[in-house]
Amino acid sequence: DTGVSQNPRHKITKRGQNVTFRCDPISEHNRLYWYRQTLGQGPEFLTYFQNEAQLEKSRLLSDRFSAERPKGSFSTLEIQRTEQGDSAMYLCASSSWTGGTEAFFGQGTRLTVV
Amino acid sequence: GIQVEQSPPDLILQEGANSTLRCNFSDSVNNLQWFHQNPWGQLINLFYIPSGTKQNGRLSATTVATERYSLLYISSSQTTDSGVYFCAVLPSGYSTLTFGKGTMLLVSP
Repeated sequence: DTGVSQNPRHKITKRGQNVTFRCDPISEHNRLYWYRQTLGQGPEFLTYFQNEAQLEKSRLLSDRFSAERPKGSFSTLEIQRTEQGDSAMYLCASSSWTGGTEAFFGQGTRLTVV
Repeated sequence: GIQVEQSPPDLILQEGANSTLRCNFSDSVNNLQWFHQNPWGQLINLFYIPSGTKQNGRLSATTVATERYSLLYISSSQTTDSGVYFCAVLPSGYSTLTFGKGTMLLVSP
């Protein structure tokens, strides 16, 4: 069990560019979550998947954000036309419904928009 | 939505001291987790504790769900305990965690 893995760890991009992050959950986990964390705050929920179905999206997830989880395995989070306000740590977590709801987080992707 | 309040917001200790961190929540929950965020940003699981008391080495946690609070105890603190401690709850009827703002702990040698 290698835990939740996120790539890249850091991303610096120019305003207006598109970026994509990847999350590989713990292999037997069927639930996958994306959170965003800004400086001095706790993580805030963005969206979550059960298997390949996207079941819930936060109001924080603007039209420029899209997430996918093809085949119910890894997930990608894409931000189009990045803005400086998108600079944050993006965290992915996974959990197994059948094993309880304890969530495990990846190392995060730190995005800086310049 | 549910409100999660952590106290104190900041805490400075000398190595060897004990501390208690508190998490209050405003509604019933099915799950509560405590995390330690390391300097690189990763959230490390400390306890999965919807109710009752658990201990892991120098750390222990107690959740009293009926009174809507949880406590994290750190005994004989070490410099490596420094970082931000988060409480996160899974409200009843929901599927995603709601986090508090965290307690920033600094343990000095």
